[in-house]
Amino acid sequence: GENVEQHPSTLSVQEGDSAVIKCTYSDSASNYFPWYKQELGKGPQLIIDIRSNVGEKKDQRIAVTLNKTAKHFSLHITETQPEDSAVYFCAPGGSARQLTFGSGTQLTVLP
Amino acid sequence: SQTIHQWPATLVQPVGSPLSLECTVEGTSNPNLYWYRQAAGRGLQLLFYSVGIGQISSEVPQNLSASRPQDRQFILSSKKLLLSDSGFYLCAWSVSGTVNTEAFFGQGTRLTVV
Repeated sequence: GENVEQHPSTLSVQEGDSAVIKCTYSDSASNYFPWYKQELGKGPQLIIDIRSNVGEKKDQRIAVTLNKTAKHFSLHITETQPEDSAVYFCAPGGSARQLTFGSGTQLTVLP
Repeated sequence: SQTIHQWPATLVQPVGSPLSLECTVEGTSNPNLYWYRQAAGRGLQLLFYSVGIGQISSEVPQNLSASRPQDRQFILSSKKLLLSDSGFYLCAWSVSGTVNTEAFFGQGTRLTVV
């Protein structure tokens, strides 16, 4: 099955600074690389995803970059705002039948 | 459009009592269905997943069981709850046949076993 490692587990940044979260995976068949955001007391929601034929994708202040050779992809959040505070999960899709999520990153944006 | 319903939102149950959490999906057919548990507000522990009616795979040995009596219905059960069963339970679905697609989560059930 897929082995997924996500770092860091916690991240605190000042409002307006950038945040980067990294996800490493093991399954070379993975070709779908999403990031989910989970706000307190709610289920995770997809915020951005990328497929293996693309190296980078941006959506306003968030971006995902992919390095298939090194088997890792990263979430970048620029100009962070307090509402970005949440837990973020990666979930690389591979050849397994079940979804595998990273361990999560608690992002805190300090005002 | 597709929607996922999960209930109840919160539940307080005594140790030794039974449990039944229900999840239903609308607007799609033959979805992959998942039950996750989240302790301490962080990691998502996969409990069960199902690729079709009556097909349940268990990821970890535990005090819980799952059933899929209908295509878009997924039920999490226990005959006798333990204190360690407390947590935030999430149901999710994705398009069948692949994990290379978005997962859609319900709003979760906060279970407290007392």
